[in-house]
Amino acid sequence: GAGVSQTPSNKVTEKGKYVELRCDPISGHTALYWYRQSLGQGPEFLIYFQGTGAADDSGLPNDRFFAVRPEGSVSTLKIQRTERGDSAVYLCASSLRSGSTGEQFFGPGTRLTVL
Amino acid sequence: DAKTTQPPSMDCAEGRAANLPCNHSTISGNEYVYWYRQIHSQGPQYIIHGLKNNETNEMASLIITEDRKSSTLILPHATLRDTAVYYCIVFNAGNNRKLIWGLGTSLAVNP
Repeated sequence: GAGVSQTPSNKVTEKGKYVELRCDPISGHTALYWYRQSLGQGPEFLIYFQGTGAADDSGLPNDRFFAVRPEGSVSTLKIQRTERGDSAVYLCASSLRSGSTGEQFFGPGTRLTVL
Repeated sequence: DAKTTQPPSMDCAEGRAANLPCNHSTISGNEYVYWYRQIHSQGPQYIIHGLKNNETNEMASLIITEDRKSSTLILPHATLRDTAVYYCIVFNAGNNRKLIWGLGTSLAVNP
C-alpha cells in the first residue's frame, strides 16, 4: 500500500515568507507526528496529533510554527515569517495504534531552504 | 526521558555480522527499546523493538541485557545497502509518546 507522502519534496523560500508543508499519512493511521532534522543531527520532535487534535505540541520552537489536521488525515505544517535557521528537513510520520506504539512510518521529508 | 548512548561510527565488512551497541542505563521498567535506521536522504525506517526478551525479525535481531541497561542490534549478514545511521531510542508509551532521537551510529558497510 501507499506509504506516508510529503509535498513538496523541496521548498526554497526567502526570509520572511510564509510556507506550508503537507503530509499525507498512511490510510487508517490515527496518530501523526512532525519532526525536523538538521544536517548531522537526529530528528527533533515538533508536534503529535491524535486524530484531529494536537496531543502534544511541546516541540514547536515558537509561535511562528503551527500545524493542523482538520479531518484527522492530511496535516499541514505552517511556518510564518521564515528565518534562515528554519532551514532543515521536515519529516512526517504516522502510526496505527493511537500513538501507543513507537513504530512510526516516515515519509521522505520536505527539504526547506530559507535564503 | 531515558537517554541512550551509541558510538558515533562503525565499520563492517560486507557479508559479516554488524553488531551495534547501545547503552540506556536509566531505562524504566515500562520503557521499550526501539531501533530505527536512516539511509542517506531518506526518512527513518523502523527496524525492531523489545522490552525484556531478545527479538528477531526479517531485518535484524535485538539482544537486551538482563538488567536492561544496554542492548545490541545485530544485522546478521550486512550488505552495502545496510549503510545508514542507526538510532537506538527508549520509548515510553504512557506519559511520553514521542520518539527522542540522539545522534545514532553511522554504519559503513564496506565491500
